[in-house]
Amino acid sequence: QSALTQPASVSGSPGQSVTISCTGTSGDVGSYNLVSWHQQHPGKAPKLIIYEVNKRPSGVSNRFSGSKSGNTASLTISGLQAEDEADYSCCSYAGSSTLVFGGGTKLTVL
Amino acid sequence: QVQLVQSGAEVKKPGASVKVSCQASGYTFINYGISWVRQAPGQGLEWMGRISGYNGDTNFAQKFQDRVTMTTDTSTTTAYMELRNLRYDDTAMYYCARFGTTKVDYWGHGTLITVSS
Repeated sequence: QSALTQPASVSGSPGQSVTISCTGTSGDVGSYNLVSWHQQHPGKAPKLIIYEVNKRPSGVSNRFSGSKSGNTASLTISGLQAEDEADYSCCSYAGSSTLVFGGGTKLTVL
Repeated sequence: QVQLVQSGAEVKKPGASVKVSCQASGYTFINYGISWVRQAPGQGLEWMGRISGYNGDTNFAQKFQDRVTMTTDTSTTTAYMELRNLRYDDTAMYYCARFGTTKVDYWGHGTLITVSS
């Protein structure tokens, strides 16, 4: 059960788009379309923003989108806003009612 | 609305045990499980395990299998996580989260556990 691999940090200017990758294995990301993404502002609890690779919970901006190819999932944030500055963590179902998280990516809005 | 309210911060000595509670409201408790996820200072999220709200079935990350117990009390819609034989590197924020079969969707506010002599 190794953690999923994410870049430590990404950055972008307001209005730009950024993409955060999340690489797993054939036992987790590659086997299931059950990747979720969670946004976490400093000192706050995480919040679900994408589930089942590309679905958004009610109330989440359509500027957030997800995709997957093979063992790698991606989160794209378009039209960057200052409020998007946060940590983003991916999570994949790994079978037998288990989950695995990525190490998290810090997004800086320049 | 779904709410998960956790117990307060604790300071424990190495070798001790800690039990964290998570009271759920705003949904039918037995229809979902509860996952426990921890986050060490400056680190990423780490999945510890989950418990079914329906029948108490559990699954744990291998790393915690020997030291963690998860239980529920359906009469009070509360989940509990006990971690034994605490070490300094168990210092972390511990979150409970509603587990809907294949994902977590709502998070508690977190409980800070500090292990210090």
